Amino acid sequence: GAGVSQTPSNKVTEKGKYVELRCDPISGHTALYWYRQSLGQGPEFLIYFQGTGAADDSGLPNDRFFAVRPEGSVSTLKIQRTERGDSAVYLCASSLREPGLGTDTQYFGPGTRLTVL
Amino acid sequence: QKEVEQNSGPLSVPEGAIASLNCTYSDRVSQSFFWYRQYSGKSPELIMSIYSNGDKEDGRFTAQLNKASQYVSLLIRDSQPSDSATYLCAANNAGNMLTFGGGTRLMVKP
Repeated sequence: GAGVSQTPSNKVTEKGKYVELRCDPISGHTALYWYRQSLGQGPEFLIYFQGTGAADDSGLPNDRFFAVRPEGSVSTLKIQRTERGDSAVYLCASSLREPGLGTDTQYFGPGTRLTVL
Repeated sequence: QKEVEQNSGPLSVPEGAIASLNCTYSDRVSQSFFWYRQYSGKSPELIMSIYSNGDKEDGRFTAQLNKASQYVSLLIRDSQPSDSATYLCAANNAGNMLTFGGGTRLMVKP
């Protein structure tokens, strides 16, 4: 079956602009995660959705970052007033997250490379 | 101190040798651990997961977990040039997110 997809693959924007990054998880996966990866570092957690609700948004760096998942499937990460420091690869992952089965495996999408000029 | 630590490398091994990648973690409540492989410019790809102390083998890969020492390792037998990549260690503490190390770059030389 299809894996996690993300669009766009690359996004170049100017400082101060607004951007939206989209993630389409694996069909049937209830859990969806956003991570950010800077060059030479491991991914850093941003936010986690279980169904439609943001169950944990403790990784969002500030209030310029917001994410939604209105129908429990596709998610959009929104960044307002972008700054040069926001430049990174934004990764989305999904998992089955079945209750009672403990930790499950997260599968990553190809990422969106965001460049803020 | 980062919660998950890895030597950044590069770790260079000759083709056919065993590559040993190591990872330590600081959060004792971490319950499960994952090794992801990431080729340059690509997204992380799951290699192994391990939840219990001891060894877990899958083909040329063996993951080892020692919760008392807070140590996780990945052994790659018969290393191939195609194994050259960055290997990311990740821990899950029964919360919902993965905490990643910075990754170890492995170079397998023909």
